[in-house]
Amino acid sequence: EVQLVESGGDLVQPGGSLRLSCEASGFTFSTYYMNWVRQAPGRGLEWISYISGSGGTIYYADSVKGRFTISRDNAKNSLYLQMNSLRDEDTAVYYCARRHSGWCFDYWGQGTLVTVSS
Amino acid sequence: EIVLTQSPGTLSLSPGERATLSCRASQSISSSYLAWYQQKPGQAPRLLIYGASSRATGIPDRFSGSGSGTDFTFTISRLEPEDFAVYYCQQYGSSPPGITFGQGTRLEIK
Repeated sequence: EVQLVESGGDLVQPGGSLRLSCEASGFTFSTYYMNWVRQAPGRGLEWISYISGSGGTIYYADSVKGRFTISRDNAKNSLYLQMNSLRDEDTAVYYCARRHSGWCFDYWGQGTLVTVSS
Repeated sequence: EIVLTQSPGTLSLSPGERATLSCRASQSISSSYLAWYQQKPGQAPRLLIYGASSRATGIPDRFSGSGSGTDFTFTISRLEPEDFAVYYCQQYGSSPPGITFGQGTRLEIK
């Protein structure tokens, strides 16, 4: 059974940093593109980054480029999101999601809440 | 960036009725890269349709998708009580690379 479990969400002050993790199981992690998608409270979904199976291809949404860094450790079946220079508008539930063919997301974690507030 | 506009914002229907949701893209997109999701409160989204018209694993056949170019449609042929939720369309573009979601359609019980 495919499982994605996020962790690391917390309350952080504006300008602060946080590192999210996503532990994967039930599939060959290294062969899949992985993604981070977020959802601000009461709002819609926003894709923010993807990384290829090898880690050699990475892309970010403009809203987080230069502040967030996606990475993965295939030996640990884990995906990460390093978030720096956090802003109030980064407050959201952050989901990791596996890429399906056709560039959609077939499995999602339960999400981890990041709150940026002073 | 390709913008996806979903309509209506809210749809009020009764169980047993047919639901038709629209997703319009700001420029033509490949049907291969258009997907639909369902999200219930407190839950992660669930993939329903990919490639504009293919049902994901385990998705009942009352859910269907169609369309091409800039206009896509998602249909639930006969609403069940568990279908009342928010639905999102999503696209992938390769030039420049990026992924965007529509703003969502809330399907509520009338």
